Amino acid sequence: GAVVSQHPSRVICKSGTSVKIECRSLDFQATTMFWYRQFPKKSLMLMATSNEGSKATYEQGVEKDKFLINHASLTLSTLTVTSAHPEDSSFYICSATNDWAYTQYFGPGTRLTVL
Amino acid sequence: GDSVTQMEGPVTLSEEAFLTINCTYTATGYPSLFWYVQYPGEGLQLLLKATKADDKGSNKGFEATYRKETTSFHLEKGSVQVSDSAVYFCALTVDTGRRALTFGSGTRLQVQP
Repeated sequence: GAVVSQHPSRVICKSGTSVKIECRSLDFQATTMFWYRQFPKKSLMLMATSNEGSKATYEQGVEKDKFLINHASLTLSTLTVTSAHPEDSSFYICSATNDWAYTQYFGPGTRLTVL
Repeated sequence: GDSVTQMEGPVTLSEEAFLTINCTYTATGYPSLFWYVQYPGEGLQLLLKATKADDKGSNKGFEATYRKETTSFHLEKGSVQVSDSAVYFCALTVDTGRRALTFGSGTRLQVQP
């Protein structure tokens, strides 16, 4: 099956610093990648949708200047949390798709802790 | 807007018991419906899907039928195993071309030997 990786799996940073999370589709070309945020015991909330070579589309309430998304190639998307604060601590998950059959392949997630 | 409602967990069952996890939805258009499973320490995996009314998705002994009249997509399995312990998410997407998923809150299943 299609594999999506994320790096790092865990990151701890100080308040005010920026953190970059990578999402890679390992064995397929992803036309679209999605970034989700998962709160403890809560569902996944869509943050943004990115298409290769285009600007990301952000969901209402998500600050685009704080959560920078770059989808530079068909196999890589990055999420940068800028000037991170403790309230940004969460589990960030990416997914990728390459077809119109609505099948998304998910990465294992990145646990971000901001001190 | 679109939304998915799942029964709250955790659901605790003994091995070989029958499983039902309820899922209902509201959607602005004609949705495709999914069940995803998240095993401990792993990413979400597609378990099964159904794209039109009365379709039945099935995989690994799990089944769910797309019921448009009751806007439901309940997950069932006749005999659960310890290895089925995981969090199960019901989700939908509406054919808007954007293909983003709307998830339910997830239901944790614990199967005891």
